[in-house]
Amino acid sequence: DAKTTQPNSMESNEEEPVHLPCNHSTISGTDYIHWYRQLPSQGPEYVIHGLTSNVNNRMASLAIAEDRKSSTLILHRATLRDAAVYYCILRNYGQNFVFGPGTRLSVLP
Amino acid sequence: DAGVTQSPTHLIKTRGQHVTLRCSPISGHKSVSWYQQVLGQGPQFIFQYYEKEERGRGNFPDRFSARQFPNYSSELNVNALLLGDSALYLCASSLVIQQAAFNQPQHFGDGTRLSIL
Repeated sequence: DAKTTQPNSMESNEEEPVHLPCNHSTISGTDYIHWYRQLPSQGPEYVIHGLTSNVNNRMASLAIAEDRKSSTLILHRATLRDAAVYYCILRNYGQNFVFGPGTRLSVLP
Repeated sequence: DAGVTQSPTHLIKTRGQHVTLRCSPISGHKSVSWYQQVLGQGPQFIFQYYEKEERGRGNFPDRFSARQFPNYSSELNVNALLLGDSALYLCASSLVIQQAAFNQPQHFGDGTRLSIL
């Protein structure tokens, strides 16, 4: 399974944008990039996913590098409720989800 | 619509005992996956079931087993419990078989917290 690398932790101020990086230098051409987050005492929650083009939804934006070896999850205005562990996962046909340790995001009021 | 529901929410067992955890997927979802999450780590894949058949298995011992019922609900069974089995057990459902839907999201329940004494 392809691997991803994320910082262990990040901090952000409330109402400011947050850019969460993910490196995936061994990504294959058909790997989809998925982002999930896990709030305290809850199961993981789907955030966004994409293949090559940048993606936007009501929760976040996903910016994918042109060579696809890295991606960035963008939260446009962080709120206290966005404090969570964020997981970047690569998935391809026949593969199951492989979660790494993720990035723990703290949001300061 | 109801999300993925798991029962019980918390459970305490002793070493050597057996446990059964239950999961009801989102209505219309036919694929169910089970994960184990040890404190401080990301979830680790245990099983995936689709149409009542096992379609994927992670690196877990044979003490772990599961099944899926005609209504697509699922049970995870763990025999001869060890202290190391203490974890949050998560169930996730998706519309189609996971391997054929690698571009589709999974929807997780809030898990069962299993503590082994």
